[in-house]
Amino acid sequence: NAGVTQTPKFQVLKTGQSMTLQCAQDMNHNSMYWYRQDPGMGLRLIYYSASEGTTDKGEVPNGYNVSRLNKREFSLRLESAAPSQTSVYFCASSNEPDTQYFGPGTRLTVL
Amino acid sequence: QQQVKQSPQSLIVQKGGISIINCAYENTAFDYFPWYQQFPGKGPALLIAIRPDVSEKKEGRFTISFNKSAKQFSLHIMDSQPGDSATYFCAASTNAGKSTFGDGTTLTVKP
Repeated sequence: NAGVTQTPKFQVLKTGQSMTLQCAQDMNHNSMYWYRQDPGMGLRLIYYSASEGTTDKGEVPNGYNVSRLNKREFSLRLESAAPSQTSVYFCASSNEPDTQYFGPGTRLTVL
Repeated sequence: QQQVKQSPQSLIVQKGGISIINCAYENTAFDYFPWYQQFPGKGPALLIAIRPDVSEKKEGRFTISFNKSAKQFSLHIMDSQPGDSATYFCAASTNAGKSTFGDGTTLTVKP
């Protein structure tokens, strides 16, 4: 039981490049989330998926797209990376509103 | 508009002391109030959560106090230990599981 896994762990991009962050959970959770964490700003919700086949915007969705590939997997895509997207990205999953399980994070630097 | 305000930003406590972190929310649609603990380089992990039908919840050395009328809740860590040194986030979640996080409190417990 690996919980929530994220790939890659680290990534450096140049401005304008694209990439996809992968997330998978093996806990059979219905809901999945993508957050970004910046120093002093806590965790901000980018997108979430309440169930397979549905996605909704969070607080900071601009510049990102998501795909809920199946119940296990939820990917986050940056189509044209910008330096402002330098951050640590966390994926989470849950079946209860007050309990989210987080992955180890992806540290992204955009030059 | 910041929906969950957390204070203090940082906290230094002597070993054996009490650590107190406060949060206030604005949106009355929030139904769940979890606290997460995050160690450097790791994803957040659920510490303790409370629902608004109770005013206090205790788990070991950790206690959440909740004041629905004031829209405030707090985390108390009794007998603080150096191993408690971490960043703590409060959160407020809707019944649909959409969470808003505070900006975090960095706790340092000095031996």
